[in-house]
Amino acid sequence: RKEVEQDPGPFNVPEGATVAFNCTYSNSASQSFFWYRQDCRKEPKLLMSVYSSGNEDGRFTAQLNRASQYISLLIRDSKLSDSATYLCVVNRDGGSQGNLIFGKGTKLSVKP
Amino acid sequence: EAGVAQSPRYKIIEKRQSVAFWCNPISGHATLYWYQQILGQGPKLLIQFQNNGVVDDSQLPKDRFSAERLKGVDSTLKIQPAKLEDSAVYLCASSLMTSGGKQFFGPGTRLTVL
Repeated sequence: RKEVEQDPGPFNVPEGATVAFNCTYSNSASQSFFWYRQDCRKEPKLLMSVYSSGNEDGRFTAQLNRASQYISLLIRDSKLSDSATYLCVVNRDGGSQGNLIFGKGTKLSVKP
Repeated sequence: EAGVAQSPRYKIIEKRQSVAFWCNPISGHATLYWYQQILGQGPKLLIQFQNNGVVDDSQLPKDRFSAERLKGVDSTLKIQPAKLEDSAVYLCASSLMTSGGKQFFGPGTRLTVL
């Protein structure tokens, strides 16, 4: 099992749609979870951290299920500017050293 | 606030040649990372520095890759000799010591090995 697995995508959705991305991780000792966004030919940028109780930032909602080792990202009311690759990221060993494992990413394309 | 700086932005070399990349992290960031991102993949950590010490280099191919951060600020990553499979984007990132996953990435160096 890969350390971090994501939906392969691509997801092609119309503006205004709601889209959800899923991710699973293999190391039960992992303590920190994140979603990063990467635009085409650009560097990754932190979108949001994922907390056990779930958290929301505007149109974005992240959920964590530790028992299932499952992370999700929900985007409501999609905008053209949301088009990007979304990377699921997990801390490797449960420490605070920032040793991150990135998934392959799921590409989102929002169409007019 | 200035971001992470990297140079060069692009590099094309032939296999068996050497290449070096430079990174200047955000001021005050003690932790510096080098990642390799192959097309269609997520970034893979090569090496992590805390100040000028190596925290993790378990995924660095040490027979050909080397990195240093002599004064705890700038860092260089070198490949010698390069192979075709080294073609990738090399990303440098930095973070505050205790920020865990909140890393700031530079624009990367796109390396093509012919």
